[in-house]
Amino acid sequence: GNSVTQMEGPVTLSEEAFLTINCTYTATGYPSLFWYVQYPGEGLQLLLKATKADDKGSNKGFEATYRKETTSFHLEKGSVQVSDSAVYFCALSGDGATNKLIFGTGTLLAVQP
Amino acid sequence: DAGITQSPRHKVTETGTPVTLRCHQTENHRYMYWYRQDPGHGLRLIHYSYGVKDTDKGEVSDGYSVSRSKTEDFLLTLESATSSQTSVYFCAISGGLTDTQYFGPGTRLTVL
Repeated sequence: GNSVTQMEGPVTLSEEAFLTINCTYTATGYPSLFWYVQYPGEGLQLLLKATKADDKGSNKGFEATYRKETTSFHLEKGSVQVSDSAVYFCALSGDGATNKLIFGTGTLLAVQP
Repeated sequence: DAGITQSPRHKVTETGTPVTLRCHQTENHRYMYWYRQDPGHGLRLIHYSYGVKDTDKGEVSDGYSVSRSKTEDFLLTLESATSSQTSVYFCAISGGLTDTQYFGPGTRLTVL
């Protein structure tokens, strides 16, 4: 069945450092891919998405490219801020009947000043 | 922000008692979902709805039931709560099969 694997955290970085959070997936067909972010004590917010191969999703300085050949959707940001500290979830949807999301386990990012 | 509210936001209950969580939306979206979030598991789908009175099971549906009598409300019921159901529960909505899902603020449930 469909699944998502993302790197385990926590990831601890200094402010202005480069961020990569790895995400790979297993899926039949052509899923859409998502990154959601969860700030402390809050629900999940959509950060970015990509709906087909080679699409690049971007938002708030974050980027991720849908790579079908490597089945990956890695999240990157060139210069992180303390306010980026949160849990990041990679997810895919590919069930055409229900639009169910399959989530990775989440990666905690802690950015230190 | 999508208009999604969940109630209650926090609840502590005892093993064996029934519990109902409510998700309310003001977006008139067709699809509604209940997920639970647990450390090491991410979010897992419990049940979902694709219209009024139309519901189906997700991957972790045992011990849970749902009802949707109006477009705007989706209820999740634990008939007899167990400690393994201690979790954070999130409701989500989407307008169509390929639309983005938007999440509510969550309900933290503790079963003692």
